[in-house]
Order: sequence, then C-alpha cells, then structure tokens
Amino acid sequence: LAKTTQPISMDSYEGQEVNITCSHNNIATNDYITWYQQFPSQGPRFIIQGYKTKVTNEVASLFIPADRKSSTLSLPRVSLSDTAVYYCLVGTLNNNAGNMLTFGGGTRLMVKP
Amino acid sequence: ETGVTQTPRHLVMGMTNKKSLKCEQHLGHNAMYWYKQSAKKPLELMFVYSLEERVENNSVPSRFSPECPNSSHLFLHLHTLQPEDSALYLCASSQLAGAGTDTQYFGPGTRLTVL
Repeated sequence: LAKTTQPISMDSYEGQEVNITCSHNNIATNDYITWYQQFPSQGPRFIIQGYKTKVTNEVASLFIPADRKSSTLSLPRVSLSDTAVYYCLVGTLNNNAGNMLTFGGGTRLMVKP
Repeated sequence: ETGVTQTPRHLVMGMTNKKSLKCEQHLGHNAMYWYKQSAKKPLELMFVYSLEERVENNSVPSRFSPECPNSSHLFLHLHTLQPEDSALYLCASSQLAGAGTDTQYFGPGTRLTVL
C-alpha cells in the first residue's frame, strides 16, 4: 500500500482558497487518489477521487501531476464549516478483497473568521 | 445521512462485559468494514468483509469478533475488553466496482468507553 505524507495542520481564513498537498512517492500504476473529510465524532466523508490530471466537483478540485507522486486538494472559498480533518488515501481495489485503503494522520484544517 | 447506520452511538462497558456493535447499510453495497479510531491516532482498519466473507484481519486481538450474517449487516462482538480499547468504532460500506477503487460510506460511529 502506498504511504502518504501530508501536513499535520493548516490554518486559513473564511473566503480564502485552501490547497492541501499530499505526497505519495511509491504510488502504484493501478492506485487511485482519494480524499476524505472528517468532522469530530463523525465518520469520514468522501470528497473527491482521481487518477491523473485534474478532477473537479461541486466541493473541491484535485490536481495530480504527470508523475502522480503527489496530489493537491483545492477547496475554493472556505467557510467555518470546512474546519475538519482531511485525509489523502492511495490505493486500489482488489476485486475479491474490497477496498484496502490506509488512512494516515490527515491534515487538520482550521478556518478562522 | 450516508445510508450507513450504527447502534449504539455511545457505549460504556466494564472489562468483563460482553457487548455487540451493530452496523447496517441501506445502499445495496457488497463490502463492509470495521475501523477503530483512537484519540489522536489515524483510523485503523480492523476487518473487511467482501460478499459476506472476511478477507482482512489486521492482527486484531481475539477479544474483537466480527460477524457478517448478510451483505447489509455487520456486527462487532466485544468481550473482556481493555481500557485502551476505548475509541470511536466506525463501520463503512462500499460497492465493489470491479475497477479502480470504490468509495467508502461511513456510519456515524460508536463511541466506546471501557472502564
């Protein structure tokens, strides 16, 4: 399983764009990159997933360079409610064995007024 | 509401008690997972069930015993736990898509305290 490294914490202010970068130097050819968000005392919630280049949805954008050894989650115009822990995960699906993803420590984002 | 429910939401038990955590998914998924999240530690994958068969057991102590009677239900049976087992226990489910990776949907968790 590919190991991921992300900053332990980040601070931002309301209305700013936040970029959280994740390193995954030993990502495998079949691995996808997935980001989850977790609020205190709740389960993680899927945000976005990608394989290469750029993916955008209504919540965030995910930028993946050509070598795929890192990825950047971009949150446009954050609000106080975006304060949470953000996890970067790298893994692939084993058809017979489910989704073997490993959660790292995540990045604790604090959005200030 | 993610379509994954867990009961109870909070549980306090003594070290000699036997209790069970229940997870139910209403999403038609065919894989289910148990995770443990201790304070200030990453989520730890405990068990994976795929098509109702256990496919992963990450060296979890035998005092934790999972059961998956059907694709919609997952249990975690607890007995003779230790105080260090106090944590948030999360259940998740996913649909095996056959390619790439699938999204896991998490329940709200059970906050377990072992006295």
